[in-house]
This record gives sequence, structure tokens and C-alpha cells, in this order.
Amino acid sequence: AQKVTQAQTEISVVEKEDVTLDCVYETRDTTYYLFWYKQPPSGELVFLIRRNSFDEQNEISGRYSWNFQKSTSSFNFTITASQVVDSAVYFCALEGGSNYKLTFGKGTLLTVNP
Amino acid sequence: DAGVIQSPRHEVTEMGQEVTLRCKPISGHNSLFWYRQTMMRGLELLIYFNNNVPIDDSGMPEDRFSAKMPNASFSTLKIQPSEPRDSAVYFCASSELAGESTQYFGPGTRLTVL
Repeated sequence: AQKVTQAQTEISVVEKEDVTLDCVYETRDTTYYLFWYKQPPSGELVFLIRRNSFDEQNEISGRYSWNFQKSTSSFNFTITASQVVDSAVYFCALEGGSNYKLTFGKGTLLTVNP
Repeated sequence: DAGVIQSPRHEVTEMGQEVTLRCKPISGHNSLFWYRQTMMRGLELLIYFNNNVPIDDSGMPEDRFSAKMPNASFSTLKIQPSEPRDSAVYFCASSELAGESTQYFGPGTRLTVL
């Protein structure tokens, strides 16, 4: 069975602070994909990143960075110099092997205060 | 390019009524997914289609739910009869090829069954 755990239910920071959202996953598949999606207050799900299990290089996109560590089954997401517009629920998800469905974590509500 | 389109965005109905949710996937995408989001269960896959054929409907909660994809550019999710516990946000997502590419989500339909 596949499982994604986002232990942080809610995080509150002040603008310009750095914040890291944790994601731990479980799968028996050797080939799998990890994702992060953002759900702002308006409700849509916005794709942020997709990473396959064979690529452990960290990725940086502007203020966003992702740290993938297979040894600890983690795929953490860091926002540098957070902004109020970053306030949203962030979901980590896993897609593995022949199971085409995305298994989502429960999400982390990030609130960035001015 | 247009993203995934869903209609209606909001639906309020009374228990026992038939509800039909509609989705137009991104042009050229061959896989289509229906998800449901609730506070209790989070995001869960209901059904997915590959090349208009239903592949996995194990997430459909019961016989009151049915989904069709008559062509590559249109899918429906029908609930008949609806019940208050069906109240949720229903998302449609599409990808170029299930299991090998990113799922992009529509804006969702917020369903309220009174």
C-alpha cells in the first residue's frame, strides 16, 4: 500500500521567513513519482513539481526548493523569503508503479502573515 | 492553452435529485481522472479513464455514482440519487498518459446536497 504523511497540519510564519513543509512517503514500488500541489484559498489545485524516484537531485525554482532523500523516504519543500501570496494548503502526493492514481497526504495549511 | 474545464463550479441540490458534473480535459491528454475532496477523507480518486475507456473505478463509492467519457474531450460524473454525504468538491484532472506524466487539475465543482 502507498501512503503519504504530512505531519504538519498547520504552519504560521511571518513574511520573509523561510519555511519547510515535510513529506514522508511509503511505497514498495521501485519506480514512482512524487509531486507537490498548491491549493490556494480559491480552491484550485496547482501543480508545482514532479520528481521521479531515480532523480535525487535537489531542485530549485525561484523561491521554491525541494529536497528528495530516498534514504529517509522524504520529499520536503522549502519556501525561501515567504510572501503572503504563498498562503495556501500544500499537498504532497505519490504515484507509484502501475497504480496510476495519486495518493495524497492530508495537506499542510501554510499561513504567511504580513 | 486552456486548462481542464469543469462545470458547474457550484451546485446546490436537494437530497434525491440527480446531479451531473462535467469535465473537458486538456486537448491531447489521453487520461482523465475524477477525484473527490472532503474534510474527513481528503483527496481520493474515484475513477480514471485511459483513451476514453474506464480503467479503474474501484474508488467509486457506490452504485449511485457513475461516470462516462463518450469522447476524448468530454466526461461526466453523475450521482443519482444524491445524498447529503455526497457534499464535497469534485475535481477532474487530465494527463498525457496515466502513470507517465503529470495530472493537471480543473478548478473543481463544489457540490452541496441539502
